[in-house]
Amino acid sequence: NAGVTQTPKFRILKIGQSMTLQCTQDMNHNYMYWYRQDPGMGLKLIYYSVGAGITDKGEVPNGYNVSRSTTEDFPLRLELAAPSQTSVYFCASSPSGVSDTGELFFGEGSRLTVL
Amino acid sequence: AQTVTQSQPEMSVQEAETVTLSCTYDTSENNYYLFWYKQPPSRQMILVIRQEAYKQQNATENRFSVNFQKAAKSFSLKISDSQLGDTAMYFCAFQGQGGSEKLVFGKGMKLTVNP
Repeated sequence: NAGVTQTPKFRILKIGQSMTLQCTQDMNHNYMYWYRQDPGMGLKLIYYSVGAGITDKGEVPNGYNVSRSTTEDFPLRLELAAPSQTSVYFCASSPSGVSDTGELFFGEGSRLTVL
Repeated sequence: AQTVTQSQPEMSVQEAETVTLSCTYDTSENNYYLFWYKQPPSRQMILVIRQEAYKQQNATENRFSVNFQKAAKSFSLKISDSQLGDTAMYFCAFQGQGGSEKLVFGKGMKLTVNP
């Protein structure tokens, strides 16, 4: 029972480089989310998707892009990486909206460092 | 805008004892949801307990219970009979009923259960 799987778990980027964080879930959840967690802070929503082909901005979308071509996958793209994007990134999914069940199923996180 | 405040950054407790984690929030909404999430050292965040604001009865899940004081905008988590596996970061979170998928998280609190 894999749940939500994120790759890579760790990555070091140079300023200006680009990369994609992969997220896949095998629970057939409609809703998927990307959060970032900065040291000593709570999670902040970057982007979310309510189903394949539909995405929307969260609280801190600048510098990121997402796509949702399938129910299972929700990759997060970082363009022109900046030191401010150094963080731990969490992907999560939910069978329906947060206001319905309240429960998000999280991946183990991806620690990204931009130098 | 809603805010969630966890004023205690760190706590420790002896195994088998009871500990209470505090959380306050600010909102102008009348109906909303509150959550406690647990993030063990392995970093995969999981839902501990959920409370709907319209329910007067405090939520309980085995050793975990909440003290929800709506007027005071307080939502504390009580862990009874603490176990070593309870060692984790604990995040309080708020979800408004306005249709947004945004969960507002507190900064988290590190709980250590000592043998």
